Parts: sequence; C-alpha cells; structure tokens
Amino acid sequence: IAGITQAPTSQILAAGRRMTLRCTQDMRHNAMYWYRQDLGLGLRLIHYSNTAGTTGKGEVPDGYSVSRANTDDFPLTLASAVPSQTSVYFCARGHSPVETEAFFGQGTRLTVV
Amino acid sequence: GENVEQHPSTLSVQEGDSAVIKCTYSDSASNYFPWYKQELGKGPQLIIDIRSNVGEKKDQRIAVTLNKTAKHFSLHITETQPEDSAVYFCAASRGSGGSNYKLTFGKGTLLTVNP
Repeated sequence: IAGITQAPTSQILAAGRRMTLRCTQDMRHNAMYWYRQDLGLGLRLIHYSNTAGTTGKGEVPDGYSVSRANTDDFPLTLASAVPSQTSVYFCARGHSPVETEAFFGQGTRLTVV
Repeated sequence: GENVEQHPSTLSVQEGDSAVIKCTYSDSASNYFPWYKQELGKGPQLIIDIRSNVGEKKDQRIAVTLNKTAKHFSLHITETQPEDSAVYFCAASRGSGGSNYKLTFGKGTLLTVNP
C-alpha cells in the first residue's frame, strides 16, 4: 500500500565491505528518507532527499551516502561497514500534497560482523 | 534542531482499558504531529496525525490531542484490544517547505494489552 520496496530484507556483512541498500517507490513522490532504528533510540534520520537531484544530511549521516538520480530510486551506501552500523534500516517516502507524512518500507535488517 | 520526548517507554494495560502516550517537543515552529504503530518485523505505519490548526482529532478508538502552548501532544486509545499491542512512535515536523519536511521521532512506547 505504501509503494516502497526495500532490498535486501536482511543481510550479514563483513566489516570493511561496501554495501548498498536499495529503495524504490512507485508513487513518484518527491520526498524520500532513510532512517535507522536501534533499540532504545527510536528512528533516526540518516539522509533525505526533497526532490530528484538533491540530498541532505539528517541526524546521523556519518558513514553513509545517498544519491537521487531519479524520482523513484534512493539507494543508501555504506562505503566501509563497521559493527556500529548493525541496525534495521527503513526507507520512507513523502505523501502529497505537502509531502509531510512519511510512509515506510518494510525495512532491511543489516548485521555487520 | 527539534527534540521529541516520549513517555512512557513501556505501558501495560488490561484489554478494554484506555492507554495514553504523551510526547513533548522543543521546536515552536513544528506544526505537524503524526503517530506511528510498528508491529514486530514490520515498518512503522501511520495511524493518525494532527496539524497545529486543530486541538484534537479522533478516528474510531484512537484520538490525538495537541497543546501548542505547552508543546505537548498525546495519543489516546480507548477500549484496547490485544491487536493494539505494538510499539508506538510520535513525531514532529515543521511540515512544509524545503528541508523542513523531516520528521523527528520519539524513542517509542511498547504497549502491551493483556487479554
């Protein structure tokens, strides 16, 4: 219903490896977001994009990068994974007309060992 | 930046009782306040939201109240059912324009409804 697809659903990754988490929407909304969820810390914004071609840093951007080459795709890249990046990652999209609401994907559970 | 505090962190109620979760925020410019429900293994789902031009909004058994002067808002669930058991998150946002779409979340409340 939310129109957000994340892949993979889970991954175990060796420390130091590069990893890209994929996020695709089919609703063509402008705003997209990446959050990480950790026990006791809630949801924290990593990066966001208000429109294709633009991105911005959230609360916890270090160690992550994003790109927004088109409206539908918003991949999150870990250039060199560290154990502290073990988390559940959620991609979300905004919702018209003011793009305020956020609709979330099902998440990617990443374990860095 | 915005800071959202949520209480309690855990809440246990008997089926049929009411549950109340409270949040405070710091940014007086925030004007959009959604609530999300997250079931185990799933992404957060928007259940109700309120904007700063109203003080209360109701949708069947759930309601949200907003006090902009005190900068706090609350989620009320009446006649709780076991399927209401989940983690609930509040959030706040300035709501429009440029980089102000971003939501800041509380840390969540684990609600358990005992049959």
